[in-house]
Amino acid sequence: GAVVSQHPSWVICKSGTSVKIECRSLDFQATTMFWYRQFPKQSLMLMATSNEGSKATYEQGVEKDKFLINHASLTLSTLTVTSAHPEDSSFYICSARDPLQGAAEAFFGQGTRLTVV
Amino acid sequence: KQEVTQIPAALSVPEGENLVLNCSFTDSAIYNLQWFRQDPGKGLTSLLLIQSSQREQTSGRLNASLDKSSGRSTLYIAASQPGDSATYLCATLGAGNMLTFGGGTRLMVKP
Repeated sequence: GAVVSQHPSWVICKSGTSVKIECRSLDFQATTMFWYRQFPKQSLMLMATSNEGSKATYEQGVEKDKFLINHASLTLSTLTVTSAHPEDSSFYICSARDPLQGAAEAFFGQGTRLTVV
Repeated sequence: KQEVTQIPAALSVPEGENLVLNCSFTDSAIYNLQWFRQDPGKGLTSLLLIQSSQREQTSGRLNASLDKSSGRSTLYIAASQPGDSATYLCATLGAGNMLTFGGGTRLMVKP
């Protein structure tokens, strides 16, 4: 089946620095990718929809200047957490579906555990 | 706005039991429903996908059913094993190609 790869799997950074997370679709081209955030023992909350070649669509309450999304190619979307603070510490997961498969199965990356100290 | 609810939130059973996880949703206008497994600190693994026109899907010891009209889906796990311990999430795919997740069921299978 389709595979989505996310990197890094974990990262620790100092408060005030920026962190970039990559999400790649390995065997299909994804015009749209999705970024989620998950707090401990909670479900996934959609942060934004990443659109290849255009601006991302952010969910209500998600700061677009804080969470920069770039979808420069059909196989890569990046999420940059800018000026990270401890409250940004969370588990971030990306997802994609093969657009050629219609209402297809969603595949998820391995997730990135971000810890801001 | 779609709302997805999973019951129970947590479940602990002895090894070998058959069990049922429940998922309900408020908007029946969905394209599909997907069940996932999530191990602690890991991403999501897709278990079963049921298209809106289907009633059920099976994979090994797993069987998922879908009743769109009543807004319900169940995941049946036969002969549970300790390795089945994880959090199980259901999600509906609806308008705007958006997945809406339930809160998950944390399953513990004791040897």
